[in-house]
Amino acid sequence: SQTIHQWPATLVQPVGSPLSLECTVEGTSNPNLYWYRQAAGRGLQLLFYSVGIGQISSEVPQNLSASRPQDRQFILSSKKLLLSDSGFYLCAWSARGYGYTFGSGTRLTVV
Amino acid sequence: AQKVTQAQTEISVVEKEDVTLDCVYETRDTTYYLFWYKQPPSGELVFLIRRNSFDEQNEISGRYSWNFQKSTSSFNFTITASQVVDSAVYFCAGLSGSARQLTFGSGTQLTVLP
Repeated sequence: SQTIHQWPATLVQPVGSPLSLECTVEGTSNPNLYWYRQAAGRGLQLLFYSVGIGQISSEVPQNLSASRPQDRQFILSSKKLLLSDSGFYLCAWSARGYGYTFGSGTRLTVV
Repeated sequence: AQKVTQAQTEISVVEKEDVTLDCVYETRDTTYYLFWYKQPPSGELVFLIRRNSFDEQNEISGRYSWNFQKSTSSFNFTITASQVVDSAVYFCAGLSGSARQLTFGSGTQLTVLP
């Protein structure tokens, strides 16, 4: 069966520090991968999605970047965090839109 | 472009009451998929159901039921005999045939009081 792992679960980082959140999927090949952010107030905003290794599409201009170095690995990064980067980050995968499965999320607080 | 509207921001009911969460999906595509997710306080998004645009049959799963009406673009979710554990934020989401990612509604916060 397919599983998705996301870590860390919580993170407190100072402003200006770098960020790296990792997401891995097991039990499937060539999944579509996604990073969503949920700021206070619940709305889910798509940040990046990837349909293959090295293929990244950005939905909104921001202080973040994403990379997909391996088929089932998706990384969200920042060189210098801003206060506005605080939020709940969710990784997800789908098999060409059939269903989206989400990771358990990372709660990031930038102080 | 696609748009998902969940007009109810917050709903509060007393345990054992039935409650319906509304969702309206707008798209120009004739082929699309609709989803409902539950987000408990822990934060994880839990998949509840997926429905394609060609299937208008209502679906029931235990205390949960879903009513899809293509004519009104609505995909409503009913919880029968609600329980405190149903308290969560519920998201409706849509995926059109031409899109590559889910579009979420703004969510409905359901609180079930004992």
